Amino acid sequence: EPEVTQTPSHQVTQMGQEVILRCVPISNHLYFYWYRQILGQKVEFLVSFYNNEISEKSEIFDDQFSVERPDGSNFTLKIRSTKLEDSAMYFCASSLGTSSETQYFGPGTRLLVL
Amino acid sequence: QKEVEQNSGPLSVPEGAIASLNCTYSDRGSQSFFWYRQYSGKSPELIMFIYSNGDKEDGRFTAQLNKASQYVSLLIRDSQPSDSATYLCAVGTGNNRKLIWGLGTSLAVNP
Repeated sequence: EPEVTQTPSHQVTQMGQEVILRCVPISNHLYFYWYRQILGQKVEFLVSFYNNEISEKSEIFDDQFSVERPDGSNFTLKIRSTKLEDSAMYFCASSLGTSSETQYFGPGTRLLVL
Repeated sequence: QKEVEQNSGPLSVPEGAIASLNCTYSDRGSQSFFWYRQYSGKSPELIMFIYSNGDKEDGRFTAQLNKASQYVSLLIRDSQPSDSATYLCAVGTGNNRKLIWGLGTSLAVNP
């Protein structure tokens, strides 16, 4: 069964460093998403992406964040200058984009900013 | 601010019992409603979705939606210890691409 994959599974970085989180959405899906979940808190929407552009973003998704689909399969989230409060699980999701709005999630990347 | 609220629990039920999980949402324009299961340290896993008022059954799971009351629930029949997890309610807003999430209800099924 097709699934969303994410790499790396864990990432430790120093405050102020740039990180890139990678995702491979399900191959025939058209919409891609990033969510994050700080330990013990709600899952939070960051951004949705369709047709090579951002379709919606949250107030969390400020100028330090960017997304890109560099080729036909990968979808990346870049954090330019990490802060301690960026420590969280980051989930990529994708959806088919027709009448089905169901979003399927990858296993997540646990980001720890020291 | 659009909100989704769930009782955090923990909800404890004996094996074989019915577990009832509830969720309310604030955005009356919401059109799509999802239940995900999340094991500790793992990603959300889709259990069910519902778009229309009423009940929707899938195996041991039944989702119930009442848009007038802005309420959605999940019933798990014949609960198993493997059902022990956190159940997340997520609501599609606006064009339904963005999901707003509840904090989740922790369910423990005791053998």
